[in-house]
Amino acid sequence: KAGVTQTPRYLIKTRGQQVTLSCSPISGHRSVSWYQQTPGQGLQFLFEYFSETQRNKGNFPGRFSGRQFSNSRSEMNVSTLELGDSALYLCASSLGGSGDFYEQYFGPGTRLTVT
Amino acid sequence: GEDVEQSLFLSVREGDSSVINCTYTDSSSTYLYWYKQEPGAGLQLLTYIFSNMDMKQDQRLTVLLNKKDKHLSLRIADTQTGDSAIYFCAENRDTGRRALTFGSGTRLQVQP
Repeated sequence: KAGVTQTPRYLIKTRGQQVTLSCSPISGHRSVSWYQQTPGQGLQFLFEYFSETQRNKGNFPGRFSGRQFSNSRSEMNVSTLELGDSALYLCASSLGGSGDFYEQYFGPGTRLTVT
Repeated sequence: GEDVEQSLFLSVREGDSSVINCTYTDSSSTYLYWYKQEPGAGLQLLTYIFSNMDMKQDQRLTVLLNKKDKHLSLRIADTQTGDSAIYFCAENRDTGRRALTFGSGTRLQVQP
């Protein structure tokens, strides 16, 4: 079974631009979560999508948004990029059922550099 | 809020045991996880433990949980150079949010 794929793997953008990152979950997984990883803040939860609906959201400004398609693929968008948005953006997929156990499988990430 | 804390660095010799420690924050977290991240890669789920367990063994990995002290440890037996990576502990602090809270990671360096 193919793992979680993220495209593109690397991206360089200029301050003020916007960017869209894509994540394809493992086949059969309906939940997709996004995390931001930076040296200063570590790994931080952005949001989770399940069945095309945002189910949970972290503490990030409204410039960060996402969506999920009917095939469970997800995209996240960052508008008006700031230097501090430079990070590794990780996507994780899981079956998405109820309960407290989250067996999340992570993709390789998209490394975004804002100049 | 409070952070999930881990030591930053651990160096061991090949063949020795490694013990990576973590102090988590929320006594109501029901599952605690260990992830591994190799350079240029995403996170790999290594193992997890349910909060009503004290210990879990999975091949070379042993997880110990001290719920009273909110202390979690990962022991890797017979550490190999391929185990060199960053190890993250994580808790599901806000179970309703379905989001993991991660520690800052421990870089394990295995010397031949």
